[in-house]
Amino acid sequence: AQTVTQSQPEMSVQEAETVTLSCTYDTSESDYYLFWYKQPPSRQMILVIRQEAYKQQNATENRFSVNFQKAAKSFSLKISDSQLGDAAMYFCAYRSAFPGNTPLVFGKGTRLSVIA
Amino acid sequence: DARVTQTPRDKVTEMGQEVTMRCQPILGHNTVFWYRQTMMQGLELLAYFRNRAPLDDSGMPKDRFSAEMPDATLATLKIQPSEPRDSAVYFCASGSRTSWTGGADTGELFFGEGSRLTVL
Repeated sequence: AQTVTQSQPEMSVQEAETVTLSCTYDTSESDYYLFWYKQPPSRQMILVIRQEAYKQQNATENRFSVNFQKAAKSFSLKISDSQLGDAAMYFCAYRSAFPGNTPLVFGKGTRLSVIA
Repeated sequence: DARVTQTPRDKVTEMGQEVTMRCQPILGHNTVFWYRQTMMQGLELLAYFRNRAPLDDSGMPKDRFSAEMPDATLATLKIQPSEPRDSAVYFCASGSRTSWTGGADTGELFFGEGSRLTVL
């Protein structure tokens, strides 16, 4: 079974600075998706960024980018120019790309605080 | 704007009472997932469906939990009888089936706003 590990329960960053959240995963599959979801106090799960495992290029979405290291099974999230609205729980998640309907496997999450 | 709709948003009930949570998946999505979120366990998969058929409910306590999809627009999660340890946020998510590399599917799941259940 696949597992996702987020080793940082809490992180903090100064406004306008850069922060990196870590995620590692374990799988024997070669094709899969990786995601970062953000959960603000409203508890809505919001997709931040996705990465397809077959793509070597790291995904970017505005101030959010990932460092995907397939061989190391590592998928970190970098937030640049941090804003107060970035404060939230961040979940790393894995989903098999095996044809069918597979669930997301989540890490335990990292709580990010942004200091003004 | 397509979204997953969950009701109720918040529910407080007494131990022993029946609780039903409802989910309307995004039109056209053929998979529906139920997750439970607690501080201790994080996000746990309870059950999921494809084309209304249950694929896996091994994450659910069978004696008190049941999940169904009466039709393509409605998924339900029922707890009977409820217990204080069931207090959690329950999320419904929908998506389309994953495809092999190069397919159009993004793999993303879309989440509802969750139902916060408190059992006293």
